[in-house]
Amino acid sequence: DGGITQSPKYLFRKEGQNVTLSCEQNLNHDAMYWYRQDPGQGLRLIYYSQIVNDFQKGDIAEGYSVSREKKESFPLTVTSAQKNPTAFYLCASSMGDTPGLEKLFFGSGTQLSVL
Amino acid sequence: DQQVKQNSPSLSVQEGRISILNCDYTNSMFDYFLWYKKYPAEGPTFLISISSIKDKNEDGRFTVFLNKSAKHLSLHIVPSQPGDSAVYFCAAMANQAGTALIFGKGTTLSVSS
Repeated sequence: DGGITQSPKYLFRKEGQNVTLSCEQNLNHDAMYWYRQDPGQGLRLIYYSQIVNDFQKGDIAEGYSVSREKKESFPLTVTSAQKNPTAFYLCASSMGDTPGLEKLFFGSGTQLSVL
Repeated sequence: DQQVKQNSPSLSVQEGRISILNCDYTNSMFDYFLWYKKYPAEGPTFLISISSIKDKNEDGRFTVFLNKSAKHLSLHIVPSQPGDSAVYFCAAMANQAGTALIFGKGTTLSVSS
Protein backbone atom coordinates (compact mmCIF):
# COMPACT_ATOMS: atom_id res chain seq x y z
CA ASP A 1 0.00 0.00 0.00
CA GLY A 2 1.58 3.26 -1.12
CA GLY A 3 1.43 6.23 1.14
CA ILE A 4 3.14 8.76 3.33
CA THR A 5 3.78 7.97 6.98
CA GLN A 6 4.47 10.39 9.80
CA SER A 7 5.60 9.37 13.25
CA PRO A 8 5.01 9.76 16.06
CA LYS A 9 1.37 10.85 16.15
CA TYR A 10 1.98 12.81 19.35
CA LEU A 11 5.27 14.23 20.59
CA PHE A 12 6.23 16.21 23.65
CA ARG A 13 9.24 18.47 23.88
CA LYS A 14 10.95 19.81 26.94
CA GLU A 15 12.37 23.32 27.02
CA GLY A 16 15.74 23.51 25.24
CA GLN A 17 15.36 20.12 23.64
CA ASN A 18 15.63 19.25 19.96
CA VAL A 19 13.09 16.80 18.59
CA THR A 20 12.86 15.10 15.21
CA LEU A 21 9.67 14.30 13.35
CA SER A 22 9.79 11.44 10.91
CA CYS A 23 8.28 11.40 7.43
CA GLU A 24 8.57 8.46 5.04
CA GLN A 25 6.90 7.95 1.66
CA ASN A 26 6.83 4.97 -0.67
CA LEU A 27 5.08 6.77 -3.52
CA ASN A 28 8.35 7.31 -5.40
CA HIS A 29 7.70 11.04 -5.23
CA ASP A 30 10.55 13.43 -5.92
CA ALA A 31 9.28 16.34 -3.85
CA MET A 32 8.58 16.44 -0.13
CA TYR A 33 7.29 19.23 2.10
CA TRP A 34 6.78 20.19 5.72
CA TYR A 35 3.88 22.40 6.75
CA ARG A 36 2.81 23.64 10.13
CA GLN A 37 -0.82 24.19 11.10
CA ASP A 38 -1.82 26.55 13.90
CA PRO A 39 -5.42 27.41 14.76
CA GLY A 40 -6.65 30.12 12.42
CA GLN A 41 -3.36 30.17 10.51
CA GLY A 42 -3.91 27.61 7.83
CA LEU A 43 -0.93 25.66 6.56
CA ARG A 44 2.41 27.43 6.52
CA LEU A 45 5.40 26.06 4.62
CA ILE A 46 8.49 25.30 6.70
CA TYR A 47 10.85 23.54 4.28
CA TYR A 48 10.59 21.65 1.03
CA SER A 49 12.79 19.48 -1.09
CA GLN A 50 12.44 18.90 -4.82
CA ILE A 51 15.24 16.37 -5.04
CA VAL A 52 17.54 14.30 -2.85
CA ASN A 53 20.32 16.24 -1.09
CA ASP A 54 18.65 19.55 -1.83
CA PHE A 55 16.05 21.58 0.08
CA GLN A 56 14.73 25.12 0.32
CA LYS A 57 13.40 27.24 3.13
CA GLY A 58 9.73 28.01 3.22
CA ASP A 59 8.00 30.94 4.88
CA ILE A 60 8.76 29.98 8.48
CA ALA A 61 12.03 28.02 8.44
CA GLU A 62 13.62 29.68 11.46
CA GLY A 63 14.16 27.24 14.31
CA TYR A 64 13.81 24.19 12.07
CA SER A 65 16.21 22.00 10.12
CA VAL A 66 15.74 19.20 7.59
CA SER A 67 17.73 16.65 5.66
CA ARG A 68 17.02 14.72 2.47
CA GLU A 69 19.56 11.94 2.28
CA LYS A 70 17.11 9.49 0.75
CA LYS A 71 14.25 10.00 -1.67
CA GLU A 72 11.84 8.28 0.71
CA SER A 73 12.67 10.24 3.85
CA PHE A 74 12.43 13.89 4.89
CA PRO A 75 12.86 14.27 8.67
CA LEU A 76 12.19 17.61 10.35
CA THR A 77 14.09 18.68 13.45
CA VAL A 78 12.49 21.26 15.70
CA THR A 79 15.39 22.92 17.45
CA SER A 80 15.50 24.77 20.76
CA ALA A 81 15.67 27.98 18.71
CA GLN A 82 12.02 27.51 17.76
CA LYS A 83 10.31 29.45 20.54
CA ASN A 84 6.75 28.45 19.76
CA PRO A 85 6.89 24.86 18.54
CA THR A 86 3.45 23.71 19.68
CA ALA A 87 1.54 22.97 16.48
CA PHE A 88 0.25 20.25 14.19
CA TYR A 89 2.98 19.32 11.70
CA LEU A 90 2.11 17.92 8.30
CA CYS A 91 4.44 16.24 5.85
CA ALA A 92 3.49 15.97 2.19
CA SER A 93 4.92 14.67 -1.05
CA SER A 94 4.29 15.17 -4.74
CA MET A 95 5.66 13.95 -8.02
CA GLY A 96 7.36 17.29 -8.46
CA ASP A 97 6.82 20.63 -10.04
CA THR A 98 5.81 19.35 -13.42
CA PRO A 99 2.61 21.14 -14.45
CA GLY A 100 -0.42 19.10 -13.48
CA LEU A 101 1.53 17.00 -11.01
CA GLU A 102 1.61 19.45 -8.17
CA LYS A 103 -1.03 17.61 -6.18
CA LEU A 104 0.22 16.98 -2.68
CA PHE A 105 -0.39 13.85 -0.71
CA PHE A 106 -0.34 14.45 3.02
CA GLY A 107 0.58 12.31 5.96
CA SER A 108 -1.68 12.06 9.00
CA GLY A 109 0.30 14.63 10.97
CA THR A 110 2.25 14.91 14.23
CA GLN A 111 0.97 16.99 17.13
CA LEU A 112 3.94 18.53 18.94
CA SER A 113 3.45 20.00 22.38
CA VAL A 114 5.87 21.68 24.77
CA LEU A 115 6.00 20.45 28.37
CA ASP B 1 1.55 39.26 3.27
CA GLN B 2 -1.05 36.64 2.51
CA GLN B 3 -1.00 35.53 -1.09
CA VAL B 4 -4.01 33.24 -0.73
CA LYS B 5 -6.93 34.52 1.30
CA GLN B 6 -10.01 32.76 2.57
CA ASN B 7 -11.87 35.59 4.22
CA SER B 8 -14.68 33.52 5.74
CA PRO B 9 -13.41 31.48 8.68
CA SER B 10 -16.65 29.53 8.86
CA LEU B 11 -19.78 28.66 6.90
CA SER B 12 -22.97 26.92 8.03
CA VAL B 13 -25.30 25.26 5.54
CA GLN B 14 -28.29 22.97 5.74
CA GLU B 15 -28.13 19.51 4.28
CA GLY B 16 -29.18 19.44 0.64
CA ARG B 17 -28.40 23.10 0.01
CA ILE B 18 -25.44 24.56 -1.83
CA SER B 19 -22.18 25.40 -0.05
CA ILE B 20 -20.02 28.09 -1.62
CA LEU B 21 -16.51 28.57 -0.33
CA ASN B 22 -14.51 31.50 -1.61
CA CYS B 23 -10.82 32.15 -2.12
CA ASP B 24 -8.90 35.19 -3.37
CA TYR B 25 -5.28 35.40 -4.41
CA THR B 26 -2.89 38.25 -5.01
CA ASN B 27 -0.03 36.70 -6.96
CA SER B 28 -0.70 36.97 -10.68
CA MET B 29 1.91 34.26 -11.29
CA PHE B 30 -0.34 31.62 -9.75
CA ASP B 31 -1.74 29.37 -12.43
CA TYR B 32 -2.77 26.19 -10.66
CA PHE B 33 -5.30 26.03 -7.85
CA LEU B 34 -6.40 23.24 -5.56
CA TRP B 35 -8.91 22.63 -2.82
CA TYR B 36 -8.15 20.35 0.12
CA LYS B 37 -10.48 19.02 2.78
CA LYS B 38 -9.28 18.38 6.30
CA TYR B 39 -10.78 16.63 9.32
CA PRO B 40 -9.40 17.30 12.82
CA ALA B 41 -6.10 15.57 13.64
CA GLU B 42 -5.77 14.25 10.10
CA GLY B 43 -3.80 15.31 7.05
CA PRO B 44 -5.61 17.23 4.30
CA THR B 45 -6.94 15.25 1.36
CA PHE B 46 -7.06 16.52 -2.18
CA LEU B 47 -10.52 17.44 -3.41
CA ILE B 48 -10.39 19.17 -6.77
CA SER B 49 -8.09 21.38 -8.82
CA ILE B 50 -8.20 23.82 -11.71
CA SER B 51 -5.62 25.14 -14.10
CA SER B 52 -5.58 28.77 -15.16
CA ILE B 53 -6.45 27.79 -18.72
CA LYS B 54 -9.91 26.77 -17.52
CA ASP B 55 -12.65 28.65 -15.72
CA LYS B 56 -14.57 25.66 -14.41
CA ASN B 57 -13.85 22.12 -13.31
CA GLU B 58 -16.48 19.71 -12.09
CA ASP B 59 -16.18 16.44 -10.20
CA GLY B 60 -19.41 14.96 -8.94
CA ARG B 61 -20.91 17.24 -6.30
CA PHE B 62 -17.88 19.53 -6.37
CA THR B 63 -17.30 22.33 -8.85
CA VAL B 64 -14.52 24.88 -8.79
CA PHE B 65 -14.87 28.19 -10.64
CA LEU B 66 -11.94 30.44 -11.49
CA ASN B 67 -12.19 34.13 -12.33
CA LYS B 68 -8.68 35.16 -13.31
CA SER B 69 -9.44 38.82 -13.85
CA ALA B 70 -10.80 39.07 -10.31
CA LYS B 71 -8.16 36.69 -8.93
CA HIS B 72 -10.95 34.76 -7.31
CA LEU B 73 -12.00 31.15 -7.14
CA SER B 74 -14.85 29.39 -5.46
CA LEU B 75 -15.77 25.85 -4.54
CA HIS B 76 -19.40 24.81 -4.88
CA ILE B 77 -20.73 21.71 -3.15
CA VAL B 78 -24.16 20.60 -4.29
CA PRO B 79 -25.99 19.05 -2.54
CA SER B 80 -24.20 19.52 0.77
CA GLN B 81 -24.06 16.53 3.10
CA PRO B 82 -23.25 16.28 6.82
CA GLY B 83 -20.09 14.34 5.93
CA ASP B 84 -18.85 17.42 4.10
CA SER B 85 -18.37 19.15 7.44
CA ALA B 86 -14.63 19.85 7.59
CA VAL B 87 -12.05 22.58 7.08
CA TYR B 88 -11.52 23.46 3.42
CA PHE B 89 -8.21 24.91 2.30
CA CYS B 90 -7.62 26.74 -0.92
CA ALA B 91 -4.09 26.45 -2.33
CA ALA B 92 -2.27 27.99 -5.25
CA MET B 93 0.96 27.51 -7.10
CA ALA B 94 2.97 29.27 -9.80
CA ASN B 95 4.23 27.28 -12.76
CA GLN B 96 7.84 27.85 -11.87
CA ALA B 97 10.49 25.32 -10.94
CA GLY B 98 11.28 25.21 -7.27
CA THR B 99 8.00 26.63 -5.97
CA ALA B 100 5.57 25.07 -3.52
CA LEU B 101 1.86 25.25 -2.82
CA ILE B 102 0.70 28.25 -0.81
CA PHE B 103 -2.35 27.65 1.36
CA GLY B 104 -5.09 29.91 2.65
CA LYS B 105 -6.14 29.89 6.30
CA GLY B 106 -9.09 27.62 5.65
CA THR B 107 -12.87 27.80 6.00
CA THR B 108 -14.71 25.54 8.42
CA LEU B 109 -17.87 24.19 6.80
CA SER B 110 -20.66 22.86 9.00
CA VAL B 111 -23.51 21.04 7.30
CA SER B 112 -26.51 20.41 9.53
CA SER B 113 -29.12 17.72 8.91
